Amino acid sequence: GAGVSQTPSNKVTEKGKYVELRCDPISGHTALYWYRQSLGQGPEFLIYFQGTGAADDSGLPNDRFFAVRPEGSVSTLKIQRTERGDSAVYLCASSLTYGTGTTFQETQYFGPGTRLLVL
Amino acid sequence: GEDVEQSLFLSVREGDSSVINCTYTDSSSTYLYWYKQEPGAGLQLLTYIFSNMDMKQDQRLTVLLNKKDKHLSLRIADTQTGDSAIYFCAETPGGYNKLIFGAGTRLAVHP
Repeated sequence: GAGVSQTPSNKVTEKGKYVELRCDPISGHTALYWYRQSLGQGPEFLIYFQGTGAADDSGLPNDRFFAVRPEGSVSTLKIQRTERGDSAVYLCASSLTYGTGTTFQETQYFGPGTRLLVL
Repeated sequence: GEDVEQSLFLSVREGDSSVINCTYTDSSSTYLYWYKQEPGAGLQLLTYIFSNMDMKQDQRLTVLLNKKDKHLSLRIADTQTGDSAIYFCAETPGGYNKLIFGAGTRLAVHP
């Protein structure tokens, strides 16, 4: 596609429920990233994938959060037993290649985000 | 540690220049980025600068980099109401492929 797409655009759920957030990266991009943006803050890194594997998941806050990218394209961020503190905008980004952040081909392009509200 | 700091708010008159400042901590960042976020929208890549450059100009945008002081600035010439948005500075700490963002500077442009 022309850009990174994310679905749903908005998700309202109740405390304790399970949610899945989907990201479709730019076609041909091998790296995919998830960030979380709380109100009034900049995005915070959660996890990134090189192909199908999670290369760095150091930003996941706890074991309720999990992400997959089974075919190296679409990714799903899964949150179990949601808490009110999980309410935020979840942003997905993709880049053409991956590495150590030293080439322009690793520039990240962001989707519009999924706004998650946990009641 | 990794930390990016920005002033939170800037108000300018339409037609004036805007200067948004940012300080970062990781001197090994190869690229430094400016992203723009409009209400309800995702992050749009605005411009970037390679760490061996002092200045980069792109139409109305000028990026200045002072590596010694770890200071980055974004100047927008002839600021328009359509430039009203939140501007984020971001670094990529050496050896890592993740972006570290500041809290963002909200730019308000008034007539």
